[in-house]
Amino acid sequence: EPEVTQTPSHQVTQMGQEVILRCVPISNHLYFYWYRQILGQKVEFLVSFYNNEISEKSEIFDDQFSVERPDGSNFTLKIRSTKLEDSAMYFCASSETTGGTYEQYFGPGTRLTVT
Amino acid sequence: SQKIEQNSEALNIQEGKTATLTCNYTNYSPAYLQWYRQDPGRGPVFLLLIRENEKEKRKERLKVTFDTTLKQSLFHITASQPADSATYLCALENAGNMLTFGGGTRLMVKP
Repeated sequence: EPEVTQTPSHQVTQMGQEVILRCVPISNHLYFYWYRQILGQKVEFLVSFYNNEISEKSEIFDDQFSVERPDGSNFTLKIRSTKLEDSAMYFCASSETTGGTYEQYFGPGTRLTVT
Repeated sequence: SQKIEQNSEALNIQEGKTATLTCNYTNYSPAYLQWYRQDPGRGPVFLLLIRENEKEKRKERLKVTFDTTLKQSLFHITASQPADSATYLCALENAGNMLTFGGGTRLMVKP
């Protein structure tokens, strides 16, 4: 069964450093998403991406964040200058279409620890 | 402001019984509502989607109801098994294609 994959599974970085989290969405999916989950808290939407551009973003997704689809398979989330409060689990997801008509398939997550 | 509320206390039930989880929301008019399962340290896994014009949806031992007047969805697992133990998340589509999740309810099924 096709699945979303994410690398690395765990990333430790120092405050102020840049990190890039990588995702490979399911191959025939057109919509891509990033969510985060701070330990013990809700899953929070960050950004959605369709047709090579951002379609929605939350208040969390400020200028420190960016997304890119550098080739036909990868989808990346970059945090330019990490803060302690960026420590969280980051989930990538993909779906065939939007509007809630199709489920979102989530990857296993990348645990980001900022020290 | 918009809110999605799920019972934050864990639900403990005996194997074989029916588990019922609640999702209440305010200041939303979602066209769809989804339920996901999340195991510790893992990503959410889609279970069921129900549309606003559907009262009930079933999939194997799972059943979801959606009452847009009460602004509530109920999620039922019949004949529960220890393997059903997990956190169950309610999610509403909001402003296009973003999902807004509730805090989840942890279900513990005891043998």
